[in-house]
Amino acid sequence: QVQLQESGPGLVKPLETLSLTCSVSGGPIETYYYNWIRQTPGKRLEWIGDIKYNTENTKYNPSFKSRVTMSVDTSKRQLSLKLKSVTAEDTAIYFCARSVLIGYYHYWYFDLWGRGTLVTVSS
Amino acid sequence: EIVLTQSPGTVSLSPGDRVTLSCRASESVAGNYIVWYRQKPGQAPTLLIHGASSRATGIPERFSGSGSATDFSLIISRLEPEDFAMYYCQQYGSSPITFGPGTRVDIK
Repeated sequence: QVQLQESGPGLVKPLETLSLTCSVSGGPIETYYYNWIRQTPGKRLEWIGDIKYNTENTKYNPSFKSRVTMSVDTSKRQLSLKLKSVTAEDTAIYFCARSVLIGYYHYWYFDLWGRGTLVTVSS
Repeated sequence: EIVLTQSPGTVSLSPGDRVTLSCRASESVAGNYIVWYRQKPGQAPTLLIHGASSRATGIPERFSGSGSATDFSLIISRLEPEDFAMYYCQQYGSSPITFGPGTRVDIK
């Protein structure tokens, strides 16, 4: 059974870079798209972007595009998220989630989520 | 980007009640690509409905979805204790993917 688990520092200083990883265990990984989604303290959900595991092709939400980088470490079965120049508005729970694959078709809704990791931006 | 609006913001009900939650899009959603999630406190969202009206695997029949174009609904026919939670709609018809602000279903 595939599981996703996010990890990373819980506290980041303003203007520094937030770095998180998502470990994928227990099943096939290569053909899927993996997404980063965050939930603000006000409970809003925001899609940050996605990455295709086996090609490392990415698509970013324009709201984050200038600050975000996603990548893959195939040797560790991990995905990573880097968000630079953070502010207090980047305080959120960050989730990784897998897009649905039906046959050969990918759909951008999410049937598998990690438990999320809270990141607080504060000096 | 498509902006999703959900109503009501909060609703207070009793176990066994029926509830209809609304999700309205700022423009027509391609393919009626709307999903609904339930989120319990401290947990990630759980997929309930995809393609506006198809129940996800393992989701009970008390959950149903309907709608097209810009107006979509999630109906819970009889609320169970575990259904008192937050509900979100999400569109995946165009990029960027967007979510509604959520509806909280509280116990009266």
